[in-house]
Amino acid sequence: GAGVSQSPRYKVTKRGQDVTLRCDPISSHATLYWYQQALGQGPEFLTYFNYEAQPDKSGLPSDRFSAERPEGSISTLTIQRTEQRDSAMYRCASSLGLAATDTQYFGPGTRLTVL
Amino acid sequence: AQSVTQPDIHITVSEGASLELRCNYSYGATPYLFWYVQSPGQGLQLLLKYFSGDTLVQGIKGFEAEFKRSQSSFNLRKPSVHWSDAAEYFCAVGNTGNQFYFGTGTSLTVIP
Repeated sequence: GAGVSQSPRYKVTKRGQDVTLRCDPISSHATLYWYQQALGQGPEFLTYFNYEAQPDKSGLPSDRFSAERPEGSISTLTIQRTEQRDSAMYRCASSLGLAATDTQYFGPGTRLTVL
Repeated sequence: AQSVTQPDIHITVSEGASLELRCNYSYGATPYLFWYVQSPGQGLQLLLKYFSGDTLVQGIKGFEAEFKRSQSSFNLRKPSVHWSDAAEYFCAVGNTGNQFYFGTGTSLTVIP
């Protein structure tokens, strides 16, 4: 596609439910990032993928959070047993190469609200 | 640990005036530094980046930034602000491990 897309754009769920967020990166982009952005804050790094490999999960807040990119393209971020503190904007970005200096292209984000 | 500080939460400037947004970082090695802009309802867009070479970098939309190692700073500047520059601006620092740390952002208002 022309840019990074994310779905859904908005998600409202009840505490304790599981949610899955989707990121569709720019075609052929090797690296994909996930960020969490609380209201009034900057994005916080969660994890990233080089193709289907996930070298770094250190930013995931707890074991309730998981991400995958099984075919090196589309990625999903799953939050199990959601809590109110999980309410945030979840942003995905992709870059063409593997280097940290490569430009990241961000999607519009998914606004998650946990009631 | 790496961190980024953007001291100004909100800045208001008149259209046509110059702009400087401050960014200070904490990182032991030579950092990768970035400035992003976020307009309402939009994703973040890269304005410019620095990782080596000339410490004055030019970006899109007429923005520039200067890396000053002695001050651990990477301030963003624009000589003449346009109304369309009103947005949220984020400074970020990255490392070779593909981890990125963002500041809390500076909100820019442009007065006609």
